[in-house]
Amino acid sequence: NAGVTQTPKFQVLKTGQSMTLQCAQDMNHNSMYWYRQDPGMGLRLIYYSASEGTTDKGEVPNGYNVSRLNKREFSLRLESAAPSQTSVYFCASRKREGTGELFFGEGSRLTVL
Amino acid sequence: AQSVTQPDIHITVSEGASLELRCNYSYGATPYLFWYVQSPGQGLQLLLKYFSGDTLVQGIKGFEAEFKRSQSSFNLRKPSVHWSDAAEYFCAVGADFNKFYFGSGTKLNVKP
Repeated sequence: NAGVTQTPKFQVLKTGQSMTLQCAQDMNHNSMYWYRQDPGMGLRLIYYSASEGTTDKGEVPNGYNVSRLNKREFSLRLESAAPSQTSVYFCASRKREGTGELFFGEGSRLTVL
Repeated sequence: AQSVTQPDIHITVSEGASLELRCNYSYGATPYLFWYVQSPGQGLQLLLKYFSGDTLVQGIKGFEAEFKRSQSSFNLRKPSVHWSDAAEYFCAVGADFNKFYFGSGTKLNVKP
């Protein structure tokens, strides 16, 4: 059972470079999410997608873009990376709005120099 | 605004001792409440959740949590901690249609 798969697991970028974090889930979930985790700050929502073809901003969307490619895949793009985007990024999915819990990937550790 | 507070950043307990991790939330309606655990280098795993009904909920790995509406709390407990419980624990509130709000986490250290 793969669940939620994120790639890459580690990435080092220079300031100004771009990259895309990929996420795929095989649980047929409708909703998908991107969070960032920073020490002492818990998880903060970047973007989410309630269904294929829709995306919405979360708490900290600046500097990021997302694409819900299909029901399985939800990618996060950094167009011009900044050191403040150094973080661990988690993708999550959710079967049912309201009461369903989030299922998380293992995370992608990004360092921007 | 919705918020989740975990007042303890670090907690150390001896193996075999009881554990209580605190969580307070701020939310206008009846919340959906969750506890997640994160081992180093891993994603978050659901321990337990509360939606309605019995305010004492049982989870995996011997954990339980009690919802107290009057105190806006959802504290996590375990009667006897094992060394393998050392991890970071996150409380979360599910609110609105698609939003989750996470606390800042409590790191648990277990002394042998």
